Amino acid sequence: AQSVSQHNHHVILSEAASLELGCNYSYGGTVNLFWYVQYPGQHLQLLLKYFSGDPLVKGIKGFEAEFIKSKFSFNLRKPSVQWSDTAEYFCAVNMRNAGNMLTFGGGTRLMVKP
Amino acid sequence: EAQVTQNPRYLITVTGKKLTVTCSQNMNHEYMSWYRQDPGLGLRQIYYSMNVEVTDKGDVPEGYKVSRKEKRNFPLILESPSPNQTSLYFCASRGQTHSNEQFFGPGTRLTVL
Repeated sequence: AQSVSQHNHHVILSEAASLELGCNYSYGGTVNLFWYVQYPGQHLQLLLKYFSGDPLVKGIKGFEAEFIKSKFSFNLRKPSVQWSDTAEYFCAVNMRNAGNMLTFGGGTRLMVKP
Repeated sequence: EAQVTQNPRYLITVTGKKLTVTCSQNMNHEYMSWYRQDPGLGLRQIYYSMNVEVTDKGDVPEGYKVSRKEKRNFPLILESPSPNQTSLYFCASRGQTHSNEQFFGPGTRLTVL
């Protein structure tokens, strides 16, 4: 079965540190890739998405992600985090031709210390 | 304002007492889904619907029912809730093409005693 893995469950950083959150999926076909953010007590919001073209995708709030097809990865990055980035981050993959399901990773809880 | 609404936002109930969580979207979206969110497991899809009267099982459909009689509404029904259905539930919708973003509702926190 298709799956999405986020290897870091909890990450603690100081403000201005750089961030990279890993996301890997298992599916050999064409994929659409997403990163969602969930701030405390709120619903999920889209950070960025990849469908085709340039594998380096820029999203909101200074986030970016790079799709590396050979590694089945879509890691999220931010050069300098802020306290307001404290949230839970979810990678999600829509595996085309495998139904219309959006499969989520287990989430990474990020805490940024001021 | 484009949005997905869910009701109730919080619910505490007892084992076996049937309940319905409503979901409504005002974006004329074809696709709607229900997810449950549990710590360490991310979001898992319960059911989804590609259009009116078209529904299909997701990853964890056991113990749940859905219906899609109108395009805007996609209620989630728990005929006989059990404690292992205590969770945070999200409804989501998106347009027809795969490139469309999914919009999520605010969530319903359900506790089954």
